[in-house]
Amino acid sequence: GAGVSQTPSNKVTEKGKYVELRCDPISGHTALYWYRQSLGQGPEFLIYFQGTGAADDSGLPNDRFFAVRPEGSVSTLKIQRTERGDSAVYLCASSAGQNSPLHFGNGTRLTVT
Amino acid sequence: GQQVMQIPQYQHVQEGEDFTTYCNSSTTLSNIQWYKQRPGGHPVFLIQLVKSGEVKKQKRLTFQFGEAKKNSSLHITATQTTDVGTYFCAGFDMRFGAGTRLTVKP
Repeated sequence: GAGVSQTPSNKVTEKGKYVELRCDPISGHTALYWYRQSLGQGPEFLIYFQGTGAADDSGLPNDRFFAVRPEGSVSTLKIQRTERGDSAVYLCASSAGQNSPLHFGNGTRLTVT
Repeated sequence: GQQVMQIPQYQHVQEGEDFTTYCNSSTTLSNIQWYKQRPGGHPVFLIQLVKSGEVKKQKRLTFQFGEAKKNSSLHITATQTTDVGTYFCAGFDMRFGAGTRLTVKP
């Protein structure tokens, strides 16, 4: 089927605003990961879902960041009170299980002005 | 937290030269995965290594997992311009290294 889909592809928002980033994983993939990637850096782990539950959220930088996956498929990354330092490409990846190969989406480029 | 370290950070080669990037951990890894990210693209899975001392080949690419499962390497023989990109390893709980950026001069 289709690959991992992320929307929007680009998001420009003002400092202090709230944003939601969406990820549609590959059908049947139980594991879903969110990463943040700044220019010239490696993907920075944010959170990992196994099914509906967040199995590891230790990478979320602070309480302004939150993610959900209510039905074990689509996931939404939510950022409150955005700051300029939140500007980055947010990548979503899904896999058939923990430690299985990751399939990445094209990412959402977030710019906070 | 536990991290994998990659060296070198950058590598510039002449087309036809070989290239090697290394991934190191201070503790034993259960497995390691390698990914390639082309400029402007997203990471794409290349291979997973699980066994101590494992060696896998994909055409001109050779991947090795150390005997102690604390390090891994990716070697490209006779680089081509299509090899340009950043190569990442991912270890503990899918945490990524900082990557090695490869540029190839035609």
